[in-house]
Amino acid sequence: GQNIDQPTEMTATEGAIVQINCTYQTSGFNGLFWYQQHAGEAPTFLSYNVLDGLEEKGRFSSFLSRSKGYSYLLLKELQMKDSASYLCAALDSNYQLIWGAGTKLIIKP
Amino acid sequence: ETGVTQSPTHLIKTRGQQVTLRCSSQSGHNTVSWYQQALGQGPQFIFQYYREEENGRGNFPPRFSGLQFPNYSSELNVNALELDDSALYLCASSADTDSPNTGELFFGEGSRLTVL
Repeated sequence: GQNIDQPTEMTATEGAIVQINCTYQTSGFNGLFWYQQHAGEAPTFLSYNVLDGLEEKGRFSSFLSRSKGYSYLLLKELQMKDSASYLCAALDSNYQLIWGAGTKLIIKP
Repeated sequence: ETGVTQSPTHLIKTRGQQVTLRCSSQSGHNTVSWYQQALGQGPQFIFQYYREEENGRGNFPPRFSGLQFPNYSSELNVNALELDDSALYLCASSADTDSPNTGELFFGEGSRLTVL
C-alpha cells in the first residue's frame, strides 16, 4: 500500500531551528510537496522536490532522498506565525497526491 | 488569496440528504482536484478533472461524483450522506497541461460539511 509517515506533533522555541521528517512509500514517485496549513484554513504551498538534494527558499528548506524515500522540511529563525500543521504529500505514478496526516508544530516564546 | 473560491463555506445536512459543493478555479487553470479532510488528518484525494474529463479518482464510493464546466469551474456532489462524510472539502486548481498535478496546487478555503 501507499503510506506517508510524519510525526504527529513537534514543539520548538521562537528563533530556533526545527526539522520535520517525512518518509514515503508510493507506487511510483513523481515528486514530493510540503504544504503549511494554519488551523481552520486551506493548505498553502511551501515546496516541491523531485530531484535529490536540498532546495532553499528563504527561512524554509526542503530536502529529498529518493533512494531512502525520505524528505525533511527545515524551518530556521522560527517565528510565532510558523505555528501550524505541515503536510507532506508524495505524487505517485498516477500523478495522484498521497498525503500524510500532518505535523502540528507548536512554537513557544 | 489563491484566486480559488469555494461555496458554501459552511453547511449542515442530515443523513441521507444530497449536497453540491462548488469551486471556481484560478484564472487560466485547467485542472481541478477535490479532497476530503477530516479533523486532524491530511487531505484524502477524491478525484481530479482535467479539461472537463475525470482523469483520476481516489478510494471513494460512486455516491461521490463531480463535474467540470467549460470555464473550468467544478462541482462535487455527494448523495446519500453519511455521518462520516462530515469533513472539510477542499478544492485545488493547477495550471499543468501535459502532466496534471505535477505543479503547485492552489487551494480554496474549503467547504465545511456537517452531517447530523
